[in-house]
Amino acid sequence: GAVVSQHPSRVICKSGTSVKIECRSLDFQATTMFWYRQFPKQSLMLMATSNEGSKATYEQGVEKDKFLINHASLTLSTLTVTSAHPEDSSFYICSARVDSFGSPLHFGNGTRLTVT
Amino acid sequence: AQTVTQSQPEMSVQEAETVTLSCTYDTSENNYYLFWYKQPPSRQMILVIRQEAYKQQNATENRFSVNFQKAAKSFSLKISDSQLGDTAMYFCALYNFNKFYFGSGTKLNVKP
Repeated sequence: GAVVSQHPSRVICKSGTSVKIECRSLDFQATTMFWYRQFPKQSLMLMATSNEGSKATYEQGVEKDKFLINHASLTLSTLTVTSAHPEDSSFYICSARVDSFGSPLHFGNGTRLTVT
Repeated sequence: AQTVTQSQPEMSVQEAETVTLSCTYDTSENNYYLFWYKQPPSRQMILVIRQEAYKQQNATENRFSVNFQKAAKSFSLKISDSQLGDTAMYFCALYNFNKFYFGSGTKLNVKP
């Protein structure tokens, strides 16, 4: 149980275009999902907390207008990288958890974004 | 502030041997959870083990066990009978205030 599906796993786009990444909890409902960014050989950096039915909470230094997050249902959150630039190239990982104190994060497989 | 520190960037162990990965953390809360996650070359994050701060008994999952020292704010992971498939990055994480705080990771290489 507790499977999180993330799609696409890999995407290449041109500078200036937008890319949407989907994150789905397949067998549980999650009012909260988390979006991380991971640079090579580094830890996970929390970008934002996605809240179902309300606005996402962004971490300091993360541009809200560049990284649009929509949590439309209890099983789906999307991250849209708008007007992508080469410096946005990275590995993005979503995660979700059952809404119970102490329940672990379950992660998607990640999305490798390359902006040319 | 919540912080998680992993002081060993990289470690190696021979197959079938035992290795311990260190993790220290800082929090002012009494009720929290600690986790170890594994990230193999596939980059899929996998939950290894979980420990509730209120439980004194150390968590165990098959070959994986922890040494949880609450007063010292230490949470080390012991891997027994290491296998080649254990080769991965290992991240220690602290949970409270509906957030997870990750350490910088330890790269573990299991050698045949």
